[in-house]
Amino acid sequence: AQSVTQLDSHVSVSEGTPVLLRCNYSSSYSPSLFWYVQHPNKGLQLLLKYTSAATLVKGINGFEAEFKKSETSFHLTKPSAHMSDAAEYFCVVSDRGYGGSQGNLIFGKGTKLSVKP
Amino acid sequence: DGGITQSPKYLFRKEGQNVTLSCEQNLNHDAMYWYRQDPGQGLRLIYYSQIVNDFQKGDIAEGYSVSREKKESFPLTVTSAQKNPTAFYLCASSNRQLNTEAFFGQGTRLTVV
Repeated sequence: AQSVTQLDSHVSVSEGTPVLLRCNYSSSYSPSLFWYVQHPNKGLQLLLKYTSAATLVKGINGFEAEFKKSETSFHLTKPSAHMSDAAEYFCVVSDRGYGGSQGNLIFGKGTKLSVKP
Repeated sequence: DGGITQSPKYLFRKEGQNVTLSCEQNLNHDAMYWYRQDPGQGLRLIYYSQIVNDFQKGDIAEGYSVSREKKESFPLTVTSAQKNPTAFYLCASSNRQLNTEAFFGQGTRLTVV
């Protein structure tokens, strides 16, 4: 069964410092992995996705993530945090289409990122 | 502009009432989904539909119902059988191909009064 674990429920950084949001996954197949961002009372916006091409994936707003199969990780990073990055971030694995499944996206519980001035 | 529209943004329900949340997409996506979001819980799947006139229960379908009469529309009814309906509800859609992401609406916040 697929699962996603976001290792930190809350991360706080200062503006201009690096951001690291950690995600580990469990999958029986070669997974598709995504990071989404959610601002308060809003929908989710896709930051980036991994679909078995390059293991280092670049996304919007300067974010990137590296797929590490040996560590079953897909951590999200950004070199320099901006105040507008304060939001909740979700790591997601897709089981869609494998083994006849017509299933869905499996979400981590989210990491809330705070950015201090 | 293409996208997903959820309405209303805020909804108040009296105990014992059924309410229906609207979700419309013009992305020509086959698949549509309803998720419930509670603080610290992530998103949990209520129902999903891969094609018109067909839908499947997700992890927390009890107390909810859906229909998929048109490709563009996937309304969710929160029935009186749902004992704790206060939550943020998100609708999403996607293509059915592998490795494609889902696109989300802006959500409906439902409160029981």
